[in-house]
Amino acid sequence: NAGVMQNPRHLVRRRGQEARLRCSPMKGHSHVYWYRQLPEEGLKFMVYLQKENIIDESGMPKERFSAEFPKEGPSILRIQQVVRGDSAAYFCASSPAGSGSGANVLTFGAGSRLTVL
Amino acid sequence: GDSVTQMEGPVTLSEEAFLTINCTYTATGYPSLFWYVQYPGEGLQLLLKATKADDKGSNKGFEATYRKETTSFHLEKGSVQVSDSAVYFCALSDGSGYSTLTFGKGTMLLVSP
Repeated sequence: NAGVMQNPRHLVRRRGQEARLRCSPMKGHSHVYWYRQLPEEGLKFMVYLQKENIIDESGMPKERFSAEFPKEGPSILRIQQVVRGDSAAYFCASSPAGSGSGANVLTFGAGSRLTVL
Repeated sequence: GDSVTQMEGPVTLSEEAFLTINCTYTATGYPSLFWYVQYPGEGLQLLLKATKADDKGSNKGFEATYRKETTSFHLEKGSVQVSDSAVYFCALSDGSGYSTLTFGKGTMLLVSP
C-alpha cells in the first residue's frame, strides 16, 4: 500500500537547466497538490490538479513553472531555466476524488529537494 | 492573507519531558487547524486537527486546543519519547473548498534519551 511517491528525492541543476519533479499519487487518489518550501519558510501552495485538468494554479509563479497530471502516469512539476531562487523542497500531496474541503484527507509525499548551483 | 506563525526550533528535550510548541494564526472567517509531523525521510503526516473554536484535537498523546480568542493552536505532550523527534508543522485551511493549506515554517523537535 504505497503512499505518495515522489522522485527524484534530490535533484541538482545548474542555472538555466530544466528540472522535472514527479509525483505518483496514492492508489485510488485522483487529486494532486504541489507545495513548495523555500529555505526558512513554511510550505506554500502552488497548484491543484485533477486528471488532465489544472483546477487552481494561483500559487504557481507565472513564468518558467508548469504542472500536469496526465490521464496515465505521474503528475509532473516542470521548472524551466532554473535560477538559484528555485532551490527548495517541493512536496506533493494527493487526495481521493470528491474530497472537497477535506484537508484532513491529504496524504503527502516525502518531498523532492532541488538545489540550483 | 492567512498566515501561521510557530515557534523557532530546534526544541531540544530529554525523554519524558513536557512539550509545548506554540502556534498562532491569522485568518479571516473560521479556519480549520492542523498539526502535521514529518519524521526523517518521510512525508508529512496529519497528527491532529480541530475544526471549530474550543475543539481539542488529540492523537498519540499529543493535544492541541483551538483557541479563537487568542488565535492559537499550541501543541502539547505530557511526556515525549525519542521516537517523537521530527519536524512539526502547524497549518490552517480556510475551509473555502479544496485543500489549500497555509503552513507555518515548522519546528524541529529533538528528544534525547
